[in-house]
Parts: sequence; C-alpha cells; structure tokens
Amino acid sequence: NAGVTQTPKFRILKIGQSMTLQCTQDMNHNYMYWYRQDPGMGLKLIYYSVGAGITDKGEVPNGYNVSRSTTEDFPLRLELAAPSQTSVYFCASRTSGTSFGANVLTFGAGSRLTVL
Amino acid sequence: KNEVEQSPQNLTAQEGEFITINCSYSVGISALHWLQQHPGGGIVSLFMLSSGKKKHGRLIATINIQEKHSSLHITASHPRDSAVYICAVNGETSGSRLTFGEGTQLTVNP
Repeated sequence: NAGVTQTPKFRILKIGQSMTLQCTQDMNHNYMYWYRQDPGMGLKLIYYSVGAGITDKGEVPNGYNVSRSTTEDFPLRLELAAPSQTSVYFCASRTSGTSFGANVLTFGAGSRLTVL
Repeated sequence: KNEVEQSPQNLTAQEGEFITINCSYSVGISALHWLQQHPGGGIVSLFMLSSGKKKHGRLIATINIQEKHSSLHITASHPRDSAVYICAVNGETSGSRLTFGEGTQLTVNP
C-alpha cells in the first residue's frame, strides 16, 4: 500500500497563477483532510471531506477549493495564488469506527508551495 | 488562548534522559492524538487515546480526562528521537475535525 500520496512535492508559483495539489489514498479511508503549516505554527485545517461527494470548510478555506468525486482522490485547488499562501500543505486521511487502527491519521509527505 | 497548549515549546536533552512533553486542552474531547514530525517534514501518528495509557516501545502516552491533560514520555532518549511532537484533539462538538497544538521541538544530543 502506498498510503497517502501528494504531488507535487515542491512548486513555485507567480502571484495570480492557479494550481492543483493532488492527494490520493489507497486505504479506502472515508475521511480526508487538507492542512497548511506555516513556519513555527501549528497545522491549520483548510478543507475536509467525510466521504465521496461531501466536503466542508475548515479554519482557513479562503483562496482554496476542493472536490471529492471518488473515495481515493481529494485535490486542493488554489485560485489566484497570493504570497500569503506560501506554506507547506499536508493531506491526511483516516477511517472511522471501532476497529483496530480506526481514527488514526495517515499523512502525506507534504507539498512545499512558494508564491512569488 | 489556544484550545490546545503544549509545553515546553522547545526541549533539549542528553541521550538517555527521560523526557516528558505536556498537552493541555480546554474543551471536551472524544480523542487525543500524538504526532511526530521528522526534521524532513513528514508527519506520523504515534498514539490515539481517549483514556488511560498507551505504550509503544520507548514511548508512553497518558491522558487524564478530568484534568484535560495528556503527557508524552520518552524513555532512554536517543538522538533519532529529535523531532517536533504535536498534540491534537477531536473536540466533542467538532465532529471529524482536529485542533492542533503548535508542537514541541525536541533535540536529543549524543
């Protein structure tokens, strides 16, 4: 199993450009999350999804959009990139329930985005 | 005031020392998570607990629900334990969302 795969690992954008961060998981997890981590700060939730076709805003959703057309994929779209979106982005997933390993988060390796 | 507070923010120890990292939270929770972020940036889940104590190798996590407090202990610390340790909670009213502490930077010197 690959776990949670994020691409790209690094990207430099110019102000006003758009891009999509890809996130795929092969564990059949129903919950998926996008976080950003600014230097010296804790993880902040951007968007999350509790299953295919269902998404909801987190703490810092402005400037981002998501979709969840399949259980496996949860892409994060940045429209009109701004320097304030320079950050490291993490995708994570988990299942729910009471079975062993349920509710434990699995993280992707992160995507470092710089907006100049 | 953050819902999740960790202490200390930074911790330096000598190899072999017993280490304790603390996490206090201000809301009712259904679960608490301890995560480790490696120097390269990757994040792994260490523990998820809602009561009592869990142990995995040299790592021990405890939680006191009444006092809204959790501790992460590392016995016989080693330089490879150097990382950022993050506490996160599932609030009772926040559904599937987690609230994260800002992390504790641990450095273990040989």
